[in-house]
Amino acid sequence: DIQMTQSPSSLSASVGDRVTITCRASQGIRNYLAWYQQKPGQVPKLLIYTASTLQSGVPSRFSGSGSGTDFTLTISSLQPEDVATYYCQKCDSAPLTFGGGTKVEIK
Amino acid sequence: QVQLQESGPGLVRPSETLSLTCTVSGASISSYYWTWVRQPAGKGLEWIGRVYSGGATDYNPSLKNRLTMSIDTSKNQFSLKLSSVTAADTAVYYCARGSTTWGFVYWGQGTLVTVSS
Repeated sequence: DIQMTQSPSSLSASVGDRVTITCRASQGIRNYLAWYQQKPGQVPKLLIYTASTLQSGVPSRFSGSGSGTDFTLTISSLQPEDVATYYCQKCDSAPLTFGGGTKVEIK
Repeated sequence: QVQLQESGPGLVRPSETLSLTCTVSGASISSYYWTWVRQPAGKGLEWIGRVYSGGATDYNPSLKNRLTMSIDTSKNQFSLKLSSVTAADTAVYYCARGSTTWGFVYWGQGTLVTVSS
């Protein structure tokens, strides 16, 4: 089965900073990758699908890129409301594995 | 607006079977696939499995020996049964609607299931 590895597992950045989270698949998954945001006590929310397509209503400071095995989620200017844990997920075929998550905090 | 709602016992005894149902409103269950995800307290998301409208299923290999998922299109519901549960199965269980292209757009609010005697 394909493993999904996220890095870092946590990060602390200042408001306005550019933040990048990496997700690596152990085998190629083309562009079938989704990113989710989960704020404390809340349900996960889809941010990006097919690696780079922004879900409706998601702020444009979020962006995704990558294909094959290496993917990134970027927050261009970190805001206080972006404090959350972010997960990647492969969507091409079962098992639909999630990455381990990246916890983003404000410095 | 698509809505999903999990229902089922919040407490299950060890070695027994955990049973949950997800009721879908605002959309036909005859399209897309329908899936379960769980999250132990303080930990990450774990994909459990999915069921298609025709009844085909895919399961997480780590759970497949204990897992059964089904769908009832007449009731717009799908279900999860996990047998021989242990404390390690204690988690918030989410149901969601899935798509290969879009991932999991719609989620239920989640239901906490505790395995304890």
